[in-house]
Amino acid sequence: DAMVIQNPRYQVTQFGKPVTLSCSQTLNHNVMYWYQQKSSQAPKLLFHYYDKDFNNEADTPDNFQSRRPNTSFCFLDIRSPGLGDAAMYLCATSRDRGRVGEQYFGPGTRLTVT
Amino acid sequence: GQQVMQIPQYQHVQEGEDFTTYCNSSTTLSNIQWYKQRPGGHPVFLIQLVKSGEVKKQKRLTFQFGEAKKNSSLHITATQTTDVGTYFCASRSSGSARQLTFGSGTQLTVLP
Repeated sequence: DAMVIQNPRYQVTQFGKPVTLSCSQTLNHNVMYWYQQKSSQAPKLLFHYYDKDFNNEADTPDNFQSRRPNTSFCFLDIRSPGLGDAAMYLCATSRDRGRVGEQYFGPGTRLTVT
Repeated sequence: GQQVMQIPQYQHVQEGEDFTTYCNSSTTLSNIQWYKQRPGGHPVFLIQLVKSGEVKKQKRLTFQFGEAKKNSSLHITATQTTDVGTYFCASRSSGSARQLTFGSGTQLTVLP
Protein backbone atom coordinates (compact mmCIF):
# COMPACT_ATOMS: atom_id res chain seq x y z
CA ASP A 1 0.00 0.00 0.00
CA ALA A 2 1.16 3.53 -0.72
CA MET A 3 2.13 5.24 2.46
CA VAL A 4 4.28 7.62 4.47
CA ILE A 5 6.96 5.94 6.56
CA GLN A 6 8.94 7.48 9.37
CA ASN A 7 12.02 6.10 11.04
CA PRO A 8 12.73 5.64 13.79
CA ARG A 9 9.39 5.63 15.60
CA TYR A 10 11.12 6.51 18.86
CA GLN A 11 14.39 8.39 19.20
CA VAL A 12 16.27 9.24 22.35
CA THR A 13 19.09 11.73 22.10
CA GLN A 14 21.22 13.67 24.53
CA PHE A 15 21.04 17.38 25.03
CA GLY A 16 23.09 19.00 22.28
CA LYS A 17 23.71 15.80 20.32
CA PRO A 18 22.66 16.09 16.67
CA VAL A 19 19.85 13.84 15.53
CA THR A 20 18.30 13.05 12.15
CA LEU A 21 14.77 11.86 11.58
CA SER A 22 13.76 10.37 8.27
CA CYS A 23 10.62 10.19 6.21
CA SER A 24 9.89 8.34 3.02
CA GLN A 25 6.79 8.12 0.86
CA THR A 26 5.52 5.87 -1.87
CA LEU A 27 2.68 8.21 -2.86
CA ASN A 28 4.84 10.16 -5.34
CA HIS A 29 3.54 13.39 -3.85
CA ASN A 30 5.46 16.52 -4.73
CA VAL A 31 4.96 18.31 -1.40
CA MET A 32 6.45 17.08 1.87
CA TYR A 33 6.00 18.69 5.28
CA TRP A 34 7.58 18.45 8.70
CA TYR A 35 5.47 19.23 11.74
CA GLN A 36 6.27 19.36 15.43
CA GLN A 37 3.52 18.30 17.78
CA LYS A 38 3.70 18.64 21.54
CA SER A 39 1.31 17.01 23.96
CA SER A 40 -2.30 18.18 23.63
CA GLN A 41 -1.38 20.69 20.94
CA ALA A 42 -2.03 20.98 17.24
CA PRO A 43 0.70 20.11 14.76
CA LYS A 44 2.99 23.07 14.14
CA LEU A 45 4.49 23.38 10.70
CA LEU A 46 8.28 23.67 10.67
CA PHE A 47 8.90 23.74 6.91
CA HIS A 48 7.85 22.14 3.67
CA TYR A 49 9.29 21.20 0.31
CA TYR A 50 7.49 21.85 -2.93
CA ASP A 51 9.48 19.52 -5.16
CA LYS A 52 13.02 20.71 -4.33
CA ASP A 53 11.92 24.18 -3.32
CA PHE A 54 12.44 24.59 0.44
CA ASN A 55 10.01 26.77 2.40
CA ASN A 56 10.85 27.63 5.99
CA GLU A 57 8.34 28.94 8.50
CA ALA A 58 9.36 32.29 9.94
CA ASP A 59 9.34 31.05 13.52
CA THR A 60 11.18 27.77 12.92
CA PRO A 61 14.43 27.87 14.90
CA ASP A 62 17.71 27.71 12.98
CA ASN A 63 18.43 24.59 14.98
CA PHE A 64 16.08 22.73 12.63
CA GLN A 65 17.19 21.94 9.12
CA SER A 66 15.81 19.73 6.40
CA ARG A 67 16.99 17.90 3.31
CA ARG A 68 15.08 16.34 0.45
CA PRO A 69 17.50 14.42 -1.75
CA ASN A 70 14.75 13.06 -4.00
CA THR A 71 10.97 12.89 -4.31
CA SER A 72 10.63 9.97 -1.93
CA PHE A 73 12.79 10.98 0.99
CA CYS A 74 12.94 13.91 3.38
CA PHE A 75 15.07 14.35 6.49
CA LEU A 76 14.76 16.51 9.57
CA ASP A 77 18.06 17.44 11.20
CA ILE A 78 18.13 18.90 14.69
CA ARG A 79 21.60 20.27 15.13
CA SER A 80 21.67 20.79 18.89
CA PRO A 81 18.54 19.41 20.53
CA GLY A 82 17.36 21.13 23.65
CA LEU A 83 14.93 19.82 26.24
CA GLY A 84 12.23 21.93 24.64
CA ASP A 85 12.59 20.03 21.38
CA ALA A 86 11.18 16.87 22.88
CA ALA A 87 8.03 16.24 20.87
CA MET A 88 6.38 14.13 18.23
CA TYR A 89 7.68 14.94 14.76
CA LEU A 90 5.25 14.27 11.97
CA CYS A 91 6.02 14.04 8.29
CA ALA A 92 3.21 14.59 5.82
CA THR A 93 2.78 14.67 2.06
CA SER A 94 0.29 16.12 -0.35
CA ARG A 95 -0.19 16.38 -4.07
CA ASP A 96 -0.19 20.03 -5.06
CA ARG A 97 -3.11 20.76 -7.33
CA GLY A 98 -2.87 24.53 -7.16
CA ARG A 99 -4.72 24.57 -3.88
CA VAL A 100 -3.99 22.64 -0.75
CA GLY A 101 -5.15 19.06 -0.90
CA GLU A 102 -5.45 16.58 1.89
CA GLN A 103 -2.29 15.74 3.74
CA TYR A 104 -1.16 12.20 4.43
CA PHE A 105 0.69 11.87 7.70
CA GLY A 106 3.28 9.33 8.72
CA PRO A 107 3.09 7.64 12.11
CA GLY A 108 5.54 10.12 13.61
CA THR A 109 8.82 9.93 15.49
CA ARG A 110 8.67 10.61 19.20
CA LEU A 111 11.83 12.40 20.23
CA THR A 112 13.08 12.33 23.81
CA VAL A 113 15.95 14.59 24.85
CA THR A 114 17.85 13.61 27.98
CA GLY B 1 -1.46 35.32 10.23
CA GLN B 2 -4.69 33.48 9.81
CA GLN B 3 -6.07 31.84 12.92
CA VAL B 4 -8.72 29.21 13.22
CA MET B 5 -10.29 29.01 16.65
CA GLN B 6 -11.72 25.65 17.66
CA ILE B 7 -14.06 24.88 20.54
CA PRO B 8 -14.47 23.14 22.85
CA GLN B 9 -10.98 22.07 23.81
CA TYR B 10 -12.24 18.98 25.61
CA GLN B 11 -15.52 17.09 25.50
CA HIS B 12 -16.60 14.10 27.51
CA VAL B 13 -19.75 12.32 26.37
CA GLN B 14 -21.56 9.17 27.31
CA GLU B 15 -21.58 6.55 24.60
CA GLY B 16 -24.64 7.14 22.44
CA GLU B 17 -24.72 10.90 22.99
CA ASP B 18 -24.04 13.35 20.19
CA PHE B 19 -20.92 15.49 19.86
CA THR B 20 -20.13 18.70 18.00
CA THR B 21 -16.93 20.66 17.53
CA TYR B 22 -16.78 24.11 15.98
CA CYS B 23 -14.18 26.08 14.09
CA ASN B 24 -14.35 29.82 13.58
CA SER B 25 -12.24 32.24 11.60
CA SER B 26 -12.26 36.02 11.40
CA THR B 27 -11.41 35.81 7.71
CA THR B 28 -13.03 34.01 4.82
CA LEU B 29 -11.62 30.56 4.31
CA SER B 30 -11.01 29.09 0.87
CA ASN B 31 -11.64 25.60 2.20
CA ILE B 32 -11.61 23.67 5.42
CA GLN B 33 -10.35 20.19 6.17
CA TRP B 34 -11.03 17.94 9.12
CA TYR B 35 -8.61 15.44 10.62
CA LYS B 36 -8.91 12.86 13.37
CA GLN B 37 -6.01 11.85 15.56
CA ARG B 38 -6.44 8.80 17.76
CA PRO B 39 -4.55 8.70 21.06
CA GLY B 40 -0.93 7.87 20.26
CA GLY B 41 -1.64 8.09 16.54
CA HIS B 42 -1.19 10.54 13.73
CA PRO B 43 -3.72 12.86 12.08
CA VAL B 44 -5.87 11.17 9.47
CA PHE B 45 -7.72 13.17 6.84
CA LEU B 46 -11.50 12.95 7.10
CA ILE B 47 -12.93 15.41 4.60
CA GLN B 48 -12.53 18.72 2.79
CA LEU B 49 -15.27 21.34 2.34
CA VAL B 50 -14.96 24.01 -0.29
CA LYS B 51 -18.35 25.49 -1.13
CA SER B 52 -20.34 27.99 0.89
CA GLY B 53 -23.01 26.21 2.94
CA GLU B 54 -21.66 22.80 1.99
CA VAL B 55 -22.80 19.80 4.03
CA LYS B 56 -21.20 16.40 3.75
CA LYS B 57 -21.94 13.21 5.61
CA GLN B 58 -19.85 10.17 6.40
CA LYS B 59 -21.99 7.62 8.21
CA ARG B 60 -22.55 9.18 11.67
CA LEU B 61 -20.37 12.23 10.93
CA THR B 62 -21.83 15.43 9.46
CA PHE B 63 -19.57 18.24 8.31
CA GLN B 64 -20.79 21.76 7.58
CA PHE B 65 -19.18 24.83 6.06
CA GLY B 66 -20.81 28.13 6.91
CA GLU B 67 -22.53 30.31 4.37
CA ALA B 68 -19.93 33.03 4.88
CA LYS B 69 -17.12 30.43 4.78
CA LYS B 70 -15.88 31.64 8.15
CA ASN B 71 -16.96 28.70 10.26
CA SER B 72 -17.34 24.97 10.15
CA SER B 73 -18.62 22.20 12.35
CA LEU B 74 -18.27 18.47 12.78
CA HIS B 75 -21.19 16.64 14.35
CA ILE B 76 -21.10 13.01 15.42
CA THR B 77 -24.43 11.31 16.05
CA ALA B 78 -24.64 8.57 18.67
CA THR B 79 -20.98 8.45 19.59
CA GLN B 80 -19.16 5.17 19.95
CA THR B 81 -15.95 4.37 21.82
CA THR B 82 -14.20 4.17 18.45
CA ASP B 83 -14.83 7.91 18.02
CA VAL B 84 -12.34 8.71 20.79
CA GLY B 85 -9.58 11.04 19.66
CA THR B 86 -8.76 14.63 18.86
CA TYR B 87 -10.53 16.29 15.98
CA PHE B 88 -8.73 19.10 14.18
CA CYS B 89 -10.01 21.50 11.62
CA ALA B 90 -7.46 22.98 9.26
CA SER B 91 -7.53 25.57 6.55
CA ARG B 92 -5.23 27.00 3.97
CA SER B 93 -2.71 29.41 5.43
CA SER B 94 -2.83 32.98 4.22
CA GLY B 95 0.90 32.76 3.59
CA SER B 96 0.96 29.86 1.17
CA ALA B 97 -1.50 27.89 -0.84
CA ARG B 98 0.22 24.68 0.19
CA GLN B 99 0.20 25.20 3.95
CA LEU B 100 -2.47 24.34 6.44
CA THR B 101 -3.22 26.17 9.64
CA PHE B 102 -4.62 23.77 12.21
CA GLY B 103 -7.20 24.61 14.82
CA SER B 104 -6.30 23.80 18.39
CA GLY B 105 -8.32 20.59 18.30
CA THR B 106 -11.14 19.11 20.35
CA GLN B 107 -10.26 16.08 22.41
CA LEU B 108 -13.24 13.74 22.58
CA THR B 109 -13.61 11.16 25.32
CA VAL B 110 -16.46 8.67 25.04
CA LEU B 111 -17.47 6.99 28.27
CA PRO B 112 -18.86 3.45 27.89
